[in-house]
Amino acid sequence: DQQVKQNSPSLSVQEGRISILNCDYTNSMFDYLLWYKKYPAEGPTFLISISSIKDKNEDGRFTVFLNKSAKHLSLHIVPSQPGDSAVYFCAASARNNAGNMLTFGGGTRLMVKP
Amino acid sequence: KAGVTQTPRYLIKTRGQQVTLSCSPISGHRSVSWYQQTPGQGLQFLFEYFSETQRNKGNFPGRFSGRQFSNSRSEMNVSTLELGDSALYLCASSADAHSYEQYFGPGTRLTVT
Repeated sequence: DQQVKQNSPSLSVQEGRISILNCDYTNSMFDYLLWYKKYPAEGPTFLISISSIKDKNEDGRFTVFLNKSAKHLSLHIVPSQPGDSAVYFCAASARNNAGNMLTFGGGTRLMVKP
Repeated sequence: KAGVTQTPRYLIKTRGQQVTLSCSPISGHRSVSWYQQTPGQGLQFLFEYFSETQRNKGNFPGRFSGRQFSNSRSEMNVSTLELGDSALYLCASSADAHSYEQYFGPGTRLTVT
């Protein structure tokens, strides 16, 4: 039972265009949703997060949108750059956790072509 | 500040053996979490420690265990290794008891033959 799903295993985008990565979740108790980026041979690095009480958060080229009623999260990267090529994971943190535990989606491999 | 460090980076073991992986969190961080990454299952939560106490445990068999020391360093142990335990094991640290933002180490790549 996957609580966090990324239905697109890969995405290819031209440099300068918008990249849109999507994520769906089922647990309404998630209070923070996050995006992590992972390069080969490195651990995931935190990119951006959004509280479940908000619908948008922006940080430079990265914007995360949350549709709470649809339990849908998306990450927009504008403009996309070749250095953005990586695997992107969405993750969720639940309010009723005893501690720090993240539930991850399966990841989407983004390829930005020059 | 130095990041999360994990040792060893690569490890090859034989089925039936046991293995211990080590993680040093970012200085001052007291929470350490462990995750397993495999191609088929993605990133799955193993367990989390805070102040030497296990607070959360994922859905893994009892062969997977861990501990945390007073200096916040953590170890995880896998006994009676199986081929399916081949994976990238990632450690992440957080600053405090309820921080959703986690900082990951580079991982230990374990291969079981």
